[in-house]
Amino acid sequence: GAGVSQSPRYKVAKRGQDVALRCDPISGHVSLFWYQQALGQGPEFLTYFQNEAQLDKSGLPSDRFFAERPEGSVSTLKIQRTQQEDSAVYLCASSLEPGAVSGANVLTFGAGSRLTVL
Amino acid sequence: AQKVTQAQTEISVVEKEDVTLDCVYETRDTTYYLFWYKQPPSGELVFLIRRNSFDEQNEISGRYSWNFQKSTSSFNFTITASQVVDSAVYFCALSFSGAGSYQLTFGKGTKLSVIP
Repeated sequence: GAGVSQSPRYKVAKRGQDVALRCDPISGHVSLFWYQQALGQGPEFLTYFQNEAQLDKSGLPSDRFFAERPEGSVSTLKIQRTQQEDSAVYLCASSLEPGAVSGANVLTFGAGSRLTVL
Repeated sequence: AQKVTQAQTEISVVEKEDVTLDCVYETRDTTYYLFWYKQPPSGELVFLIRRNSFDEQNEISGRYSWNFQKSTSSFNFTITASQVVDSAVYFCALSFSGAGSYQLTFGKGTKLSVIP
């Protein structure tokens, strides 16, 4: 597609429910990133994929968070047993080049999935 | 550790005024990259500019200009003759060169409101 597509745009979950957020990156983009943006804050890094390989998951807040990109295109961020502190906008971004060495990558972001945990 | 500070939380200007958004960064790396992204109400972050640490030339793109000063660790963004469409949250971000460099460190953002 022309841009990075994320779904759902809005998700309301009851505390304890599991949620899955989908990211469809730009076709052919090697690198895929997930960021978490709390209200009034800047995005914070969660995890990085190069093709299907998850090279860095150091930003995932807890073992309740899991991300995958099995075929090197679409990615899913799953949050198990959601807590109120998980409420945030989850942004997906992709870039054409591998990002492992150069910090020069320009990212194309999706519009995000806003998760509200009640 | 890297850090980006955007001290201005919110700015309001009247249309056609000039406005400068401040960004101060901290890093121990000698090679690094600075970015500005715009986040309109629709939510997606839109890339505006990237500078590397070895290029201190100021840049102008239409009504936008950027002032990079290594001596003060600042990378400020000026919008000339602001327009209502400039209303958005603007983020300054930093990355470095080397292992793990793909991680962007963002500031908290500055919300710009341009009043007609």
